[in-house]
Amino acid sequence: GENVEQHPSTLSVQEGDSAVIKCTYSDSASNYFPWYKQELGKGPQLIIDIRSNVGEKKDQRIAVTLNKTAKHFSLHITETQPEDSAVYFCAASTGGFKTIFGAGTRLFVKA
Amino acid sequence: DVKVTQSSRYLVKRTGEKVFLECVQDMDHENMFWYRQDPGLGLRLIYFSYDVKMKEKGDIPEGYSVSREKKERFSLILESASTNQTSMYLCASSFGQGREKLFFGSGTQLSVL
Repeated sequence: GENVEQHPSTLSVQEGDSAVIKCTYSDSASNYFPWYKQELGKGPQLIIDIRSNVGEKKDQRIAVTLNKTAKHFSLHITETQPEDSAVYFCAASTGGFKTIFGAGTRLFVKA
Repeated sequence: DVKVTQSSRYLVKRTGEKVFLECVQDMDHENMFWYRQDPGLGLRLIYFSYDVKMKEKGDIPEGYSVSREKKERFSLILESASTNQTSMYLCASSFGQGREKLFFGSGTQLSVL
């Protein structure tokens, strides 16, 4: 079935450094790729998304890139801050009701 | 802001008990979802609903049922709880045209002993 693989499972960076999380999807019909951030004790919150007709999208310190040919997409966080520490989930959707999530990346930003 | 409220943050139940998890959203969203979150497995879809009294199975519906009697409320039911249903349960909602953009509640951590 459809699958989204996410790496790494844990990532530790120094404050001010960049963080990159990578995902690979299996269903070539996927056309919507959201990223969710889950802080401790809270539900996941959408932070950025990209559609398959766009290669890159940026919102302040976060950016997402998509390589449709390779079925890869990545989240880039620049100038990381302690409040970026959270679990991040990538996901893929074909536009219907079912969204397939990656296993999650726990990001630690050390002050 | 959209608010999705789950009735309990923590719940402890015994094996064989019938368990109800309640979820309410305040943004008049058509679509509602139940996911379970397990370490290393991400979020997996249990059931979803796109209208009142309508329900569809997700990827892992076995052992669960749902009820949607009102647009704002979506309930997850464990008919006979088992230890392998110990998990974090997340409710989400989305509006019709933007169904892929999910708004999540804070989750219910269910322990079945």
